[in-house]
Amino acid sequence: AQTVTQSQPEMSVQEAETVTLSCTYDTSESDYYLFWYKQPPSRQMILVIRQEAYKQQNATENRFSVNFQKAAKSFSLKISDSQLGDAAMYFCAYSGQGGSEKLVFGKGTKLTVNP
Amino acid sequence: NAGVMQNPRHLVRRRGQEARLRCSPMKGHSHVYWYRQLPEEGLKFMVYLQKENIIDESGMPKERFSAEFPKEGPSILRIQQVVRGDSAAYFCASSSGNFQETQYFGPGTRLLVL
Repeated sequence: AQTVTQSQPEMSVQEAETVTLSCTYDTSESDYYLFWYKQPPSRQMILVIRQEAYKQQNATENRFSVNFQKAAKSFSLKISDSQLGDAAMYFCAYSGQGGSEKLVFGKGTKLTVNP
Repeated sequence: NAGVMQNPRHLVRRRGQEARLRCSPMKGHSHVYWYRQLPEEGLKFMVYLQKENIIDESGMPKERFSAEFPKEGPSILRIQQVVRGDSAAYFCASSSGNFQETQYFGPGTRLLVL
């Protein structure tokens, strides 16, 4: 069974600085998808970024980028120029090919942004 | 609002009562997923449905929980004889079913069992 591990329960960053959130996963599949979701205090789950395992190029979305290391099964999220609105829980998630395509989530990292 | 709709947003039940949670997928989406989030935890998959079919219920508790997605109307997650341990946030997500299409989440239903 696939597992997703987020080893940082909490992180903090100064406004305008850069922070990196870590995620590792375990799978025997060769093709799969990885996601970062943001959950602000409203608790709505918001997709931040998505990475297809077959793509070597790291995904980017404005201030958000990932460092995808397939061999190491690592998928970290970098947030540049942090803003107060970035404060939230961040969840790393895995989805395999075929089957039910269910998402397997890590336990999350709580990000605090200090003014 | 073309997003995933869930209602009610908050639901309070006493032990032994039934809870019914509703999910209307995004327009054009025919695949629905239910997840549960216990306090201080990540989301855990419960069940995956397409119209009139349960595709994967490997995450559903064996008793008291059931889900449906009828041809017409929203998907329903039903919890019979609720217990305090059922208190959680229940999220619905939908996708178009195209291969590896991203799942989009609703705002969740917070269930509190007294």
